[in-house]
Amino acid sequence: NAGVTQTPKFRVLKTGQSMTLLCAQDMNHEYMYWYRQDPGMGLRLIHYSVGEGTTAKGEVPDGYNVSRLKKQNFLLGLESAAPSQTSVYFCASSPGLVFNEQFFGPGTRLTVL
Amino acid sequence: AQSVAQPEDQVNVAEGNPLTVKCTYSVSGNPYLFWYVQYPNRGLQFLLKYITGDNLVKGSYGFEAEFNKSQTSFHLKKPSALVSDSALYFCAVRDIGAGNMLTFGGGTRLMVKP
Repeated sequence: NAGVTQTPKFRVLKTGQSMTLLCAQDMNHEYMYWYRQDPGMGLRLIHYSVGEGTTAKGEVPDGYNVSRLKKQNFLLGLESAAPSQTSVYFCASSPGLVFNEQFFGPGTRLTVL
Repeated sequence: AQSVAQPEDQVNVAEGNPLTVKCTYSVSGNPYLFWYVQYPNRGLQFLLKYITGDNLVKGSYGFEAEFNKSQTSFHLKKPSALVSDSALYFCAVRDIGAGNMLTFGGGTRLMVKP
């Protein structure tokens, strides 16, 4: 049982390049989330999904797109990377219902030059 | 809108002493409150949560938290700190009226010195 995994662990992009971050969970969770973590700002929700085929905007969605084609996978895309998107990105999943805790992946450290 | 405040960027405590990491929140309805811990270069790990019931919640690794509705606080506590407790701690709140949004505080770095 691997829990929540993220690919890649590290990435360096040039401004304007695109990339996709992959999150996978093997716990059959309904809900999945993408956060970014910046120093002193905690975690901020980018997008989330309440089930296969559904997505919704979080607190800071601009510049990102997501897809949930399969229940176990949640992809985060950057179409044209900007230096302001330099951050650590965390994926999380939960069984659903608002009082369930979330399970986090190990993170992806992204640097945009 | 819901919000969480962790007023201390860093808390320093000697090993064996009690520790407290502070958290206050603001929600429009009844809150669901969580504490997570993050070790270096790792994702967040769940410690404990308050949903309803007893105001004192016990969690992993000997941690506990006290829910105080009148002070809108949910402080994390441990009777005797360990050096291995040194990490970044996040408080989070979910308002049932805010759907699936979990709002995190800015984090508090706990340093436990031998």
